[in-house]
Amino acid sequence: DIQMTQSPSSLSASVGDRVTIICRTSQTISSYLNWYQLKPGKAPKLLISTAFSLQSGVPSRFSGGGSGTDFTLTISSLQPEDFATYFCQQSYRTPYTFGQGTKLEIK
Amino acid sequence: EVQVVESGGGLVQPGGSLRLSCGASGFTFKNYAMSWVRQAPGKGLEWVSTISGTGGSTVSADSVMGRFTISRDNSKNTVYLHMNIMRAEDTAIYYCAKSYSMAMFGGELDYWGQGTLVTVSS
Repeated sequence: DIQMTQSPSSLSASVGDRVTIICRTSQTISSYLNWYQLKPGKAPKLLISTAFSLQSGVPSRFSGGGSGTDFTLTISSLQPEDFATYFCQQSYRTPYTFGQGTKLEIK
Repeated sequence: EVQVVESGGGLVQPGGSLRLSCGASGFTFKNYAMSWVRQAPGKGLEWVSTISGTGGSTVSADSVMGRFTISRDNSKNTVYLHMNIMRAEDTAIYYCAKSYSMAMFGGELDYWGQGTLVTVSS
């Protein structure tokens, strides 16, 4: 199985800050890396697919990068609605595996 | 508008069975793979199973192989998760999700439901 290492596990930041979340995979996955946002009681939301493709309706302050084994999710200027938990996921091969999650909290 | 709605969660005893349902609308259902993903209390996301658009092919996580079966009825735009020989560690919120692409087992999941809670306890 492809192991996912996501960091940090939690992050405290302020509105307007720029934050970056890192995801590393145990083997190369080309660009088959996706990012999701989870909020309690709501449906998870796909933000970015194949490493850097922003989904329709997702604000442009979200961006993704990387390839191979190292990937990033960057939020350029945090907004109040961005405080949530973020997960990376590889869709290169089954079993599709997720990172441990990053909980983004208000400072 | 795409909608995905899970149902069927509840309390079940260890060793028992439960069937989850997932109704979908707003897209050509038969063209897309569908998946189940779960989140145990205080834990991260775990992919459970995926079924191809036609229903002819399925793939599942080792942790549920031989106990859980995914199926679909394209005439009803519904996907199911049949769970047998359930264990305490199966306790989780179960999400149903649509694949973004038309690949057989597309792993990018672009629309999810809000989930249904399954609790395995005596």
